[in-house]
Amino acid sequence: GDSVTQMEGPVTLSEEAFLTINCTYTATGYPSLFWYVQYPGEGLQLLLKATKADDKGSNKGFEATYRKETTSFHLEKGSVQVSDSAVYFCALSEGAQKLVFGQGTRLTINP
Amino acid sequence: EPEVTQTPSHQVTQMGQEVILRCVPISNHLYFYWYRQILGQKVEFLVSFYNNEISEKSEIFDDQFSVERPDGSNFTLKIRSTKLEDSAMYFCASSLSGPRETQYFGPGTRLLVL
Repeated sequence: GDSVTQMEGPVTLSEEAFLTINCTYTATGYPSLFWYVQYPGEGLQLLLKATKADDKGSNKGFEATYRKETTSFHLEKGSVQVSDSAVYFCALSEGAQKLVFGQGTRLTINP
Repeated sequence: EPEVTQTPSHQVTQMGQEVILRCVPISNHLYFYWYRQILGQKVEFLVSFYNNEISEKSEIFDDQFSVERPDGSNFTLKIRSTKLEDSAMYFCASSLSGPRETQYFGPGTRLLVL
């Protein structure tokens, strides 16, 4: 079945560092891909999404490109801030209504 | 901005008791979902609901679970006889349309079964 694998956390960076969180997926067809973020004490919020190959989703300085050839959707940000500290979830949706999530990556940014 | 709300935020119950988790989806959304996250594990799909019936459910969603939309605004998850392993964060979500569309999540209900 469909699955999502994220890079192991936790990840700790200094403010203004470059961020990459890797995400790869397995699917039989052409899923939509999502990054959700969970700030401390809050629910899951959509960060960005892409619905077809080579699409780039972007929001709040974060970007991810749908790479069909490598079945990847890596999350990047050029300069992280302390306020970016959160848990990040990669997810896919294909045909069926459910979202399939990766295990989440906890990101901590130090000032 | 419209949002999904959930009550209660925390619930503690004794094993074998029934619990009802409540959600108010975004008002014009048509698809409703429940997910759960056991501490330290992935967010897992439980069930989706459309047009007043279950449209998809996972293996986790056995006879102990049920969902209902009792009126035009609420969406509930009932666990009939809770087990220790039901302790988890339960998230409600809704979407305007179905497959492949963005789902909007509530803040979750943390359920602890003792």
